[in-house]
Amino acid sequence: DSGVTQTPKHLITATGQRVTLRCSPRSGDLSVYWYQQSLDQGLQFLIQYYNGEERAKGNILERFSAQQFPDLHSELNLSSLELGDSALYFCASSVEGGRDYTDTQYFGPGTRLTVL
Amino acid sequence: AQKITQTQPGMFVQEKEAVTLDCTYDTSDPSYGLFWYKQPSSGEMIFLIYQGSYDQQNATEGRYSLNFQKARKSANLVISASQLGDSAMYFCAMRVRSNDYKLSFGAGTTVTVRA
Repeated sequence: DSGVTQTPKHLITATGQRVTLRCSPRSGDLSVYWYQQSLDQGLQFLIQYYNGEERAKGNILERFSAQQFPDLHSELNLSSLELGDSALYFCASSVEGGRDYTDTQYFGPGTRLTVL
Repeated sequence: AQKITQTQPGMFVQEKEAVTLDCTYDTSDPSYGLFWYKQPSSGEMIFLIYQGSYDQQNATEGRYSLNFQKARKSANLVISASQLGDSAMYFCAMRVRSNDYKLSFGAGTTVTVRA
């Protein structure tokens, strides 16, 4: 158990809908990262928040947005869902702000999203 | 640009034997971190081991060790005394300043341990 929690574990929804994925980082970690894992794209970094502020952005679609709250939990919002958004979404956390190559990221169990 | 290459899509290993998973990387940045993660069929991503570019010694964590050859830009994971529970997908990843410290992953290697 990494100490990172994600809810829900599974999510099934229809095209065009909007969903929210939730993540709580390990105790003491200030950074939260979101990743998408799909069969065709592999593991892709989406976005990072550090202590409530956006720190880095990756291949995140405009239909997707995220935020980190004062209690450091984070939410990833996916809207106007398409079939291709079906994937495993991971949240990870680390102690530092991410501007350190030694900073290890610990992953949550993931949320499996299926868009029908 | 940074790139992580894992050339072995799948491997079989006999229980109690050692297995080496290959990982090569490409970066011109002198400072970087290399990570290995395990993803069992249940889906979670488990951190295994870390090696920094300036570390003089190869990293070890229990049955996991990293064969770090800086000049060849390789960071192979060695799993000793394989167990059935080691059957999983293994990912090599790298963080480097020139990529804004984003964690970049290889395509992964599937390991199946046979009894």
